[in-house]
Amino acid sequence: AAGVIQSPRHLIKEKRETATLKCYPIPRHDTVYWYQQGPGQDPQFLISFYEKMQSDKGSIPDRFSAQQFSDYHSELNMSSLELGDSALYFCASSLEAASAYNEQFFGPGTRLTVL
Amino acid sequence: GESVGLHLPTLSVQEGDNSIINCAYSNSASDYFIWYKQESGKGPQFIIDIRSNMDKRQGQRVTVLLNKTVKHLSLQIAATQPGDSAVYFCAETPAGGKLIFGQGTELSVKP
Repeated sequence: AAGVIQSPRHLIKEKRETATLKCYPIPRHDTVYWYQQGPGQDPQFLISFYEKMQSDKGSIPDRFSAQQFSDYHSELNMSSLELGDSALYFCASSLEAASAYNEQFFGPGTRLTVL
Repeated sequence: GESVGLHLPTLSVQEGDNSIINCAYSNSASDYFIWYKQESGKGPQFIIDIRSNMDKRQGQRVTVLLNKTVKHLSLQIAATQPGDSAVYFCAETPAGGKLIFGQGTELSVKP
């Protein structure tokens, strides 16, 4: 079965540079979530989208922005990168309309290293 | 803020033994509780979930117990295998939507 695709898998950037992470949800899934996981930490919710509209927002820095496109893929844009942004970034997708609770399927993650 | 946390950061068991991983949560309004398994370098993988109106749910070799009185969640893995070695996270979600993860427990299975 098709899974969530994230690209790139690894990304190395310098401080103050920008980065764009991409997420392709499971086909027919209309909801995308972004999570950030620091070393040895639990995943922290950043932001989510349902039907191309932002549906919830967590502890996402103002330097970060995201959107969901007409084909339901999503991009997380990160500017003025800081050392502390080094982390694993996961995207998860779900089918919002299926039920009150919808299992989220996680992608393999993008490992961002800021030097 | 509200959070979900785990009592034990590491757990080492012998292959074939049963494993129990515990979790405490603080948001009594959450509707669903989920256990995820995360292997090194991979994304969290769904194991089992339980709705807040249930006390117990069983899957294949796994059982989740929910005690709402003390806000406690546990994951039981029967006949633990080396392939079960991973970090296990509990998570909660209020009626769907974002997941609030707790601190992971690293399970190490000794052959």
